[in-house]
Amino acid sequence: KNEVEQSPQNLTAQEGEFITINCSYSVGISALHWLQQHPGGGIVSLFMLSSGKKKHGRLIATINIQEKHSSLHITASHPRDSAVYICAVYMDSNYQLIWGAGTKLIIKP
Amino acid sequence: DTGVSQDPRHKITKRGQNVTFRCDPISEHNRLYWYRQTLGQGPEFLTYFQNEAQLEKSRLLSDRFSAERPKGSFSTLEIQRTEQGDSAMYLCASSAAQGALDTQYFGPGTRLTVL
Repeated sequence: KNEVEQSPQNLTAQEGEFITINCSYSVGISALHWLQQHPGGGIVSLFMLSSGKKKHGRLIATINIQEKHSSLHITASHPRDSAVYICAVYMDSNYQLIWGAGTKLIIKP
Repeated sequence: DTGVSQDPRHKITKRGQNVTFRCDPISEHNRLYWYRQTLGQGPEFLTYFQNEAQLEKSRLLSDRFSAERPKGSFSTLEIQRTEQGDSAMYLCASSAAQGALDTQYFGPGTRLTVL
């Protein structure tokens, strides 16, 4: 079993829909990172959080440390949001990022 | 500062050749990370540096791989005797490592194709 699991693996939605991507992890962590990867490889950090909730524009990230679960939400989705969204966690014991496999999101106009 | 840069962006080589990639982190970032990403997978950690010291290496990093950060600024990743399985995107990231939260900023990657 992978230490970081994301769901769904693929998600196709219509423009304007509310999007939720989930991340569960099985190890003790110091922080969780949501990142966005566009075709061609560019990776952009969206959020890093260790508790509660963060919001930036149409993106919202939440984390529940007790349940070892985080969600990334996109409100009023737009085709430009199409990308792979990756959840990665910092383990308690070292500085390594443990990555999920990513969720490929396609927003259709 | 324009962010993390990597050179080259693309590299095509024949099996058995040596290749070297360079990463220039954001200035004054003391941590530098190398990752490898194959198609359809998330990035895999390879190694990281705190200043010039290489503090951790993944088991994925075979003896053919070596990384350096001689002056605590830019870093190089060398792959000797390349194999077709080395074909991947090699990503570099840097961070300022302030406290427990360590936002990593990624470069554009170097795409390696081994023929």
